[in-house]
Amino acid sequence: QVQVVQSGAEVKKPGASVKVSCKASGYLFGNYGISWVRQAPGQGLEWMGWISGHNGDTTYAQNLQGRVTLTIDTSATTIYMELRNLTSDDTAVYWCARVDMIALGVTEGHFDYWGQGTLVTVSS
Amino acid sequence: SYELTQPPSVPVSPGQTVSITCSGDELGERYVSWYQQKPGQSPVLVIYQDRKRPSGIPERFSGSNSGNTATLTISGTQTLDEADYYCQAWDSYSAYVFGTGTKVTVL
Repeated sequence: QVQVVQSGAEVKKPGASVKVSCKASGYLFGNYGISWVRQAPGQGLEWMGWISGHNGDTTYAQNLQGRVTLTIDTSATTIYMELRNLTSDDTAVYWCARVDMIALGVTEGHFDYWGQGTLVTVSS
Repeated sequence: SYELTQPPSVPVSPGQTVSITCSGDELGERYVSWYQQKPGQSPVLVIYQDRKRPSGIPERFSGSNSGNTATLTISGTQTLDEADYYCQAWDSYSAYVFGTGTKVTVL
């Protein structure tokens, strides 16, 4: 069965970086993408970025461009999200989700399987 | 940047029908997905490509999309449907965009 399993909670100081992993299994990895979504306490969902499981192509949210990087270890079917220069505004639950694209080679799709979420707390 | 607007909250009585709207410029020309999120849980996909239901999602969930508005309808609402609901669409400039979210309260 499809599974998307994330690494555990993190506590970081302002200015630091965090790297969260997302292990995918149970499906043909190269046929899907992975997106990252976050939710600050009491707020709505915010999309952060997308990476292709086929060739590692990436697309990032404009407001996070330059601070977020998605990478992929295809052999381990694991995706990593690194967020740099953290502030208290980055305190949130972070999810990875499998993206079922409308066609291979495009970014657009829907998020059909979600990880369990990773709480990242930024505090001095 | 592209924006999707939803009403903050919608009340419904058990067994009744509730509709949640999602508004955006020329939204009818894009595919819309809907996600259900209960407190402390990960979001769950309930509708994709405007009106398709993933396996395991009850038939009481349905979707439509035309003009500038997409709608998620829950027929015969049950207490377990109480949750936050988010619409989502894709834009060539903004990429993935989520709606502002709607809290459905089953009274």
